[in-house]
Amino acid sequence: EVQLVESGGGLVQPGRSLRLSCVASGFTFGDYAMHWVRQAPGKGLEWVSGISRNSGRIGYADSVQGRFTISRDNAKNSLYLQMNSLRAEDTALYYCAKDIYSDYDLLGYFDLWGRGTLVTVSS
Amino acid sequence: EIVLTQSPGTLSLFPGERAALSCRASQSVSSSFLAWFQHKPGQAPRVLIYGASRRASGIPDRFTGSGSGTDFTLTISRLELEDFAVYFCQQYGSSPWTFGQGTKVEIK
Repeated sequence: EVQLVESGGGLVQPGRSLRLSCVASGFTFGDYAMHWVRQAPGKGLEWVSGISRNSGRIGYADSVQGRFTISRDNAKNSLYLQMNSLRAEDTALYYCAKDIYSDYDLLGYFDLWGRGTLVTVSS
Repeated sequence: EIVLTQSPGTLSLFPGERAALSCRASQSVSSSFLAWFQHKPGQAPRVLIYGASRRASGIPDRFTGSGSGTDFTLTISRLELEDFAVYFCQQYGSSPWTFGQGTKVEIK
C-alpha cells in the first residue's frame, strides 16, 4: 500500500526538543523530494521544510529556520524532523508529504500525505 | 509569499447538489500551478486536481478545476455522501508553497 506514516509527536515543554519520523511504503522513497507541513489548531496549513531526494537541497520556512532540521534516510525509507527550542506557536498537527519531483525547489505539488502526528508545546 | 483565500468558509448543501468552491490568490499563480485537496477527519489529504484543471489519477469526473491567474474554482457537479469533507487549495508556482485555509462542505 502506498502510504506515509508519521510518528513522534507528543506533549513537550517550551524550549525542549522533539524528533518526528515519517516512514514511507509502496513507492521508491529515494526518488522523490519530501516535505513537512503543519496545521495549528484553527489555522490553515503551513509549509515547514523540504528536502531533495539525495538531501542535497534543503529549505525551511522562516518561522522554523535555525530551530528545525530536516533529514532523511533513503535506506530506511524514512524522513525526519528534529525540532529544537520549541515554542507554543509550534503546536500543530505535523504532516509528512511527498513531492512529485526529486528536487524540492522544483516546486512540485504534494501528491501523497500522511495522517499527521500531533505536537503540543505547553508547560 | 502568495496568500490564498478560500470562500466560503462553510458550504451547506444537499446530496446531489452542485458545489462551487473559490480559491483566490493575492498575486498571480505562475503557470496555473494550483492544486486542490480533499481532507476528511483523521485521514490523509488526497489530491484531486493539479495544474488548476488536471484531474489526479482515480478522481471521479464530477470534480472539475478551473481558473487561472488569481482566481480558481473547484466544482463538484453532484455531491455524493463521500464528498462531504474539507477542501483546500495549494499554490506551487512560487516559494514558499502556500495553502488556503479550507472550505468545509457539509450536509444540509
